[in-house]
Amino acid sequence: SQELEQSPQSLIVQEGKNLTINCTSSKTLYGLYWYKQKYGEGLIFLMMLQKGGEEKSHEKITAKLDEKKQQSSLHITASQPSHAGIYLCGADERSQGNLIFGKGTKLSVKP
Amino acid sequence: GAVVSQHPSRVICKSGTSVKIECRSLDFQATTMFWYRQFPKQSLMLMATSNEGSKATYEQGVEKDKFLINHASLTLSTLTVTSAHPEDSSFYICSASASTDTQYFGPGTRLTVL
Repeated sequence: SQELEQSPQSLIVQEGKNLTINCTSSKTLYGLYWYKQKYGEGLIFLMMLQKGGEEKSHEKITAKLDEKKQQSSLHITASQPSHAGIYLCGADERSQGNLIFGKGTKLSVKP
Repeated sequence: GAVVSQHPSRVICKSGTSVKIECRSLDFQATTMFWYRQFPKQSLMLMATSNEGSKATYEQGVEKDKFLINHASLTLSTLTVTSAHPEDSSFYICSASASTDTQYFGPGTRLTVL
């Protein structure tokens, strides 16, 4: 079955620094989703990528899907304390029609 | 890692009937459980947050009388779709959290309303 590997597991950055979170699949991704979870709250949808080479941005967050559609990255520019939380990638598992998830990346931003 | 189960994995029902979906944390006590519904292009949308022993908090636009959530114990939460209609057909996923840090997802329930 398909698996999603996220890296790093946790990240501590100084406010204002840029950072990147990666999500890698063992198989081709047919729909890749990025979510953010604030502590104690449910997931918030950030972006969805479907096409190889696709890139989307929202405010200071940019997500990319590589041409082979097996790796996605989430890049945050000039991080702020409000960016802190757990970032989770998810993907459609074509064979069963389910959603699968990475284990998440815990981001802390030091003021 | 922690295991969360959902039952049933698939259910087909007639329009107008009610369907109950169970979410269980098998090896840990979940103080908080979340219920999500899958929508195209956005994938998961949070429906409600339930804390053990208290009423669920529903997201804006989610009908609490239609989607009844009960979190009676630290290992079980249920979502009941009342008077289901074809537009309720979807993929419903729960997640459970023992702390504020990590959510563990169930495998999901595919609901089809005829």
